[in-house]
Amino acid sequence: DQQVKQNSPSLSVQEGRISILNCDYTNSMFDYFLWYKKYPAEGPTFLISISSIKDKNEDGRFTVFLNKSAKHLSLHIVPSQPGDSAVYFCAASYNTDKLIFGTGTRLQVFP
Amino acid sequence: DTGVSQNPRHKITKRGQNVTFRCDPISEHNRLYWYRQTLGQGPEFLTYFQNEAQLEKSRLLSDRFSAERPKGSFSTLEIQRTEQGDSAMYLCASSPTGIGNTIYFGEGSWLTVV
Repeated sequence: DQQVKQNSPSLSVQEGRISILNCDYTNSMFDYFLWYKKYPAEGPTFLISISSIKDKNEDGRFTVFLNKSAKHLSLHIVPSQPGDSAVYFCAASYNTDKLIFGTGTRLQVFP
Repeated sequence: DTGVSQNPRHKITKRGQNVTFRCDPISEHNRLYWYRQTLGQGPEFLTYFQNEAQLEKSRLLSDRFSAERPKGSFSTLEIQRTEQGDSAMYLCASSPTGIGNTIYFGEGSWLTVV
């Protein structure tokens, strides 16, 4: 039972353009959502989060949007940089319980 | 460096042997988590502690796996009678309680069972 889904395994974007990574979830009780970035052979690094009482959170080049009615969130990176090339995981939790992760999207930013 | 620390970073072991991983969380964090990640998958929850109490264990955690956090600080994850299917990256993470649920991961411990 995959409660958090990232249906695009990979995404390729030109440097300077916008990267949009998508995530869908099935459990309407989730109240906190996060995005992590992971390089090979390293642990995931926290990027940005959003509470279910908000629909947008912004931090520099990264913006997360939450659409509760659609059970959908997205991460926008603008402008994209080559150093953003990594695997991105979305995660969700309910009532400060454990995080449930999606399967990840590999982002490649090319010059 | 005050991040989550894990060791060993890499472990190669023969099938049937026991292995133990150690995790030192961020010092002021009460919660400590263990996750496992295999190729092409996201991190899968194994277990977590609130101080020294183990609050939840995933059904992924068979009876060959045991985790402890005896003094509410560092934690160990032991795998007994390893199998090839145990080959994965074992991730430890920690978080303070009451501040959303942002968890901070260590670098991970790679296990290869041959």
